[in-house]
Amino acid sequence: EVQLVESGGGLVQPGGSLRLSCVVSGFTISSYSMTWVRQAPGKGLEWVANIKEDASDTYYVDSVRGRFTISRDDAKNSLHLQMNSLRAEDTAVYYCARDLRGFGPWGQGTLVIVSS
Amino acid sequence: EIVLTQSPATLSLSPGERATLSCRASQSISRYLAWHQQRPGQAPRLLIFDASNRATGIPARFSGSGSGTDFTLTISGLEPEDFAVYYCQQRADWPQTFGQGTKVEI
Repeated sequence: EVQLVESGGGLVQPGGSLRLSCVVSGFTISSYSMTWVRQAPGKGLEWVANIKEDASDTYYVDSVRGRFTISRDDAKNSLHLQMNSLRAEDTAVYYCARDLRGFGPWGQGTLVIVSS
Repeated sequence: EIVLTQSPATLSLSPGERATLSCRASQSISRYLAWHQQRPGQAPRLLIFDASNRATGIPARFSGSGSGTDFTLTISGLEPEDFAVYYCQQRADWPQTFGQGTKVEI
């Protein structure tokens, strides 16, 4: 059974940092591109970052480039998102997903709240 | 950035009826379009990839069509569990983008 489980969310002050993790079972992430997507409260979906299957390339939405870093740990079959210099507008549920001709399957999400 | 515009914003229908959702791209994206369903309080779920291919486990009542800039998701015979928000997503160019969503309500 394919499963993606995110963790690492929580309450953080503006300017702070968080590291999100996504542990995957049921497929080998090194064979696929992987992605992070977020959803602000009551809003739509926004793609955040992507890492290619060979980790040679990473892509970011403009609003997080230079602050967020996507990475993979193939040995642990896990995906990560290091988020620095967090802003109030980064408040959202963060989902990880496989990126293969469309995003899916998806994890259940982890909530990040940036507030003082 | 490729902008995806979904219409209508809300679709009010009854169980058993046919739903037709539209997604228009600001420039040609060939067939690099996916559709996702999001039920309240749940994560999104991939329904359709490459404009017209159903993802694993998706019922046959869901179908997608279109190419270039105009795409349609059709749900033939709404079931109670189909009342949800639907998003289109393009992968033709970076940044990958989503439409703003169409809510299918009873």
